Amino acid sequence: GENVEQHPSTLSVQEGDSAVIKCTYSDSASNYFPWYKQELGKRPQLIIDIRSNVGEKKDQRIAVTLNKTAKHFSLHITETQPEDSAVYFCAASTNTGTASKLTFGTGTRLQVTL
Amino acid sequence: DTAVSQTPKYLVTQMGNDKSIKCEQNLGHDTMYWYKQDSKKFLKIMFSYNNKELIINETVPNRFSPKSPDKAHLNLHINSLELGDSAVYFCASSQGLGRADTQYFGPGTRLTVL
Repeated sequence: GENVEQHPSTLSVQEGDSAVIKCTYSDSASNYFPWYKQELGKRPQLIIDIRSNVGEKKDQRIAVTLNKTAKHFSLHITETQPEDSAVYFCAASTNTGTASKLTFGTGTRLQVTL
Repeated sequence: DTAVSQTPKYLVTQMGNDKSIKCEQNLGHDTMYWYKQDSKKFLKIMFSYNNKELIINETVPNRFSPKSPDKAHLNLHINSLELGDSAVYFCASSQGLGRADTQYFGPGTRLTVL
């Protein structure tokens, strides 16, 4: 089955700096890569996603890149703000034919300090 | 206009008891999921249903039994609760199957087994 590794497990940046979170996946059939943000005590919420036919996607301060050959994808947050502090999860989705199954990374706790 | 809702939000119970968690989505989605998030924040899929049919069943003890009365509802019944069942359980839904669709999460149910 799919295995997703995520690094770093914790990341502390100063407000205004950039943050980068990296993930690798094992199943070359995976075709959809969402990123979720989870604030303390809240539900995971989708912040950006990328499909396997695209190499990069950007939404304001957030961007995601995908390297299918190397099987890794990254989340980039620019001009970080205190409200960006949360746990971020990457995931990879494999189409089993009957369902799309998400395998999550282990999460990155991002702390944005003033 | 909550999209995916769960009840209860908190559940505290004794070992050996049987409990249920309910989930409802009003997004018109065909597929629903149950995830378990443990104390280390690791998110792992347990079950998935599409139009009331079980399509994903991960290695979960058979004390856990999902039930989908219709495509808008997916309940989780747990028999003979154990200490290790303590976790946050998230319900999620997505539009269809057979392709990688965005999954929307419910607010979670924090289960504490004493």
